Amino acid sequence: DAGVIQSPRHEVTEMGQEVTLRCKPISGHNSLFWYRQTMMRGLELLIYFNNNVPIDDSGMPEDRFSAKMPNASFSTLKIQPSEPRDSAVYFCASSSYTEAFFGQGTRLTVV
Amino acid sequence: SQELEQSPQSLIVQEGKNLTINCTSSKTLYGLYWYKQKYGEGLIFLMMLQKGGEEKSHEKITAKLDEKKQQSSLHITASQPSHAGIYLCGAAFNQAGTALIFGKGTTLSVSS
Repeated sequence: DAGVIQSPRHEVTEMGQEVTLRCKPISGHNSLFWYRQTMMRGLELLIYFNNNVPIDDSGMPEDRFSAKMPNASFSTLKIQPSEPRDSAVYFCASSSYTEAFFGQGTRLTVV
Repeated sequence: SQELEQSPQSLIVQEGKNLTINCTSSKTLYGLYWYKQKYGEGLIFLMMLQKGGEEKSHEKITAKLDEKKQQSSLHITASQPSHAGIYLCGAAFNQAGTALIFGKGTTLSVSS
């Protein structure tokens, strides 16, 4: 298996633009997580899905953030409109009742 | 509030020296996970501890979970430059399959 695949690896966008981050979990994993990492706040859980259903989205910072998982092999995290304070590395991870496997992350810069 | 506290925040050791990183929870843990991260990259799973008093080792890295399942330590013996990176502890507070909450990490530098 290729592991958790995230795209793009790097994204630079202007403030106010819509940003969509994509994630392909490991086949057979039933849980998917989105995290955000910054120097100040560390690794924060944004939302997680179990069997494609959002279970806990209490970590989503604002209504500007939304996440979907239309099927077991794909998830998106959307920010609309983006702001400079959204600049961070966003990680997707998947698991199947054991440890979580992480993607390489998407480094988002909002200017 | 931060549910997992890691200490120290950063650590510089000389190659060959031993070191310990601690992770403390304010609540009883269902499971405790240790990950390593290199700057700009994803997290690599190291070990998982679930039972009170459990200890696991992999190569020169040993992790322990205390009896009360609220504190874990990661010990590296005879550190090498390849051990440098960010070590993060993650915790599950209920059943398996739920999301991990992470500490802020410990940045380890190993000088040769």
